[in-house]
Amino acid sequence: SAVISQKPSRDICQRGTSLTIQCQVDSQVTMMFWYRQQPGQSLTLIATANQGSEATYESGFVIDKFPISRPNLTFSTLTVSNMSPEDSSIYLCSASSTRGRMNTEAFFGQGTRLTVV
Amino acid sequence: KQEVTQIPAALSVPEGENLVLNCSFTDSAIYNLQWFRQDPGKGLTSLLLIQSSQREQTSGRLNASLDKSSGRSTLYIAASQPGDSATYLCAVRPGGGSNYKLTFGKGTLLTVNP
Repeated sequence: SAVISQKPSRDICQRGTSLTIQCQVDSQVTMMFWYRQQPGQSLTLIATANQGSEATYESGFVIDKFPISRPNLTFSTLTVSNMSPEDSSIYLCSASSTRGRMNTEAFFGQGTRLTVV
Repeated sequence: KQEVTQIPAALSVPEGENLVLNCSFTDSAIYNLQWFRQDPGKGLTSLLLIQSSQREQTSGRLNASLDKSSGRSTLYIAASQPGDSATYLCAVRPGGGSNYKLTFGKGTLLTVNP
């Protein structure tokens, strides 16, 4: 298994500002992802964080709004830029590893609850 | 496009009752299916992972089954406790080996009353 530390756990931000969320995994992992969970909704994948290269974004999400870094196999950051109240959500970091053909279990951090006012 | 549906959306039971949560998916070409628990405002805790070749997995009072051909999974919780109250999410990973993106259902909100 993997333990994922995510911070901050929550924040209240002014519109127009940016927030960077950090994700640290306690072991080297192959894949890291960032998800958004809007109030009352399920999880939506924002992007796959690629080590040493640009993240791969899902439809509807762009790098200018959600820049992502992944400098090594255990750490990633997500920035929510130029925030508006519509960005109020829980943001979740996820990690997964491959071990041969089996065991691609996904693990999640505790989430960052963001409120934009 | 894969779609995952969870029924019921909410469930309230008295303590001690056995219960079943349902998850269905439209594309049976999955690599695995995972059940999670989410407490309010928190992240996800992995409960059980079932590979596509498996029929069920057990952990303590939890048992998850998978019928890949019919696109269904169930999570059975025995002797429910108030501490089991949470939202339960199922997620599927597509087959093909190189795609690790999960598709989630909307979850079942479980309340276990003392």
